[in-house]
Order: sequence, then C-alpha cells, then structure tokens
Amino acid sequence: DVQLVESGGGLVQPGGSLRLSCSASGFTVSNTYMTWVRQVPGKGLEWVSIIYPGGNTYYADSVKGRFTVSRDNSNNTVYLHMNSLRPEDTAVYSCARSHSGIFHDFDCWGQGTLVTVSS
Amino acid sequence: IQMTQSPSSLSASVGDRVTITCRASQFIHKYVNWYQHKPGQAPKLLIYAASTIQVGVPSRFSGSGSGTEFTLTISGLQPEDFASYFCQQSYTTVFTFGPGTRVDI
Repeated sequence: DVQLVESGGGLVQPGGSLRLSCSASGFTVSNTYMTWVRQVPGKGLEWVSIIYPGGNTYYADSVKGRFTVSRDNSNNTVYLHMNSLRPEDTAVYSCARSHSGIFHDFDCWGQGTLVTVSS
Repeated sequence: IQMTQSPSSLSASVGDRVTITCRASQFIHKYVNWYQHKPGQAPKLLIYAASTIQVGVPSRFSGSGSGTEFTLTISGLQPEDFASYFCQQSYTTVFTFGPGTRVDI
C-alpha cells in the first residue's frame, strides 16, 4: 500500500526551528515529485514546497529563505526544515505525492502534522 | 494564479446532479485537478488534467473545461459523496488551490 506519514510537528516559539518528516511506504521518494502543503484550520490549502526527483527544489514566496526541503533516500523520507518560524506559519503541514510529473495531481496525501508557532 | 470556486457550499439530495465551478485568474490550459475531502481524512484525487478520471474513481464524477473555467460534475449524487471538493492548478510551479465547495445533504 502507498502511504505517507508525517511527524515532527509541535509547539515552537517565534524565531524557532522545527524539522518535519514525511515517511513514505509503497513507493520510492527519490523517483517522485514530493510536495509540502499547509492549511490553517478553517482556511484553504497553501502550497509550500516541492522537491523534484532530480533534486531541484522550489518554495512559496512566504517561506523562501526560511524553509528547506530535503530527501533521505536510504530512509525513503522527505523533510521540511523550518527556520525563523513566525506565528503565521501555524498550520497543519501535509506531504503529498505527484501522480504525474506534468500535472502534479496528488494521488497520495499524509494525514498532516500540526505546527503551532506561539510564545 | 488565484483559483476561485463556486458555490462555496450547496445542499443536494441523493440522485441529484451537482456541478462545481473553478475559475483561474489567468490561462492555465488544462492544468487543473479535483479532489474530494472528508473530515479527518486525506484528500482523494478524483480528476486530473481537467477531465481525466483517476483510477478507481466512480464514473459519476467527471471534469471539463480548459483555459480559465473548469467544472466538476457529479451525476447521481450518492450518500458517500457528501464532502468538500476543491480544485488545484499546476500550470505554474507555485501550485494554488481553490477554497473548496462543501456539499451537504
């Protein structure tokens, strides 16, 4: 079965850091476009970042320079390193797999992990 | 690219035909995907590339459109279809999502 499981969320103070993990099973993350999205409860989804099979990475303007996406092929896991966190980064963060590298339709999503940035 | 959806919510009955519209703020060809989302569950991919149905999705779901206007149609609403639906554009690397449409009984 194809599955994604996120972990690493929690409460962090403004200016702090956190690393989220997205552990995959049933497929290989190194061959797949992997995306992070976030959702503030009660609001819409916001795309955060993507890592390509070739290693290219892209970020939303709101997190550029603060967040970094990476991949550990040996653990079949994708990470989101979040620095200089702000209260507006508070959200449920989910990872998703692109079914197609052209249309980036997400056919597998994790359940998400909650990040709360507050003093 | 901004994605808007209408309506934001609707009430329908089992057997009804339901149409949800998604509009893009600029041309996105057919780079639109549709999802179903139920509380406490991960979103489920229904339609990709505007009109291609994902494997395993019932044929009562269909998508159409190109350019800036897209529709998701459910032909013959079933009890398990009461959920939220949202669109996503992937024309640019900065993917954006519609705000969602809640389908209630």
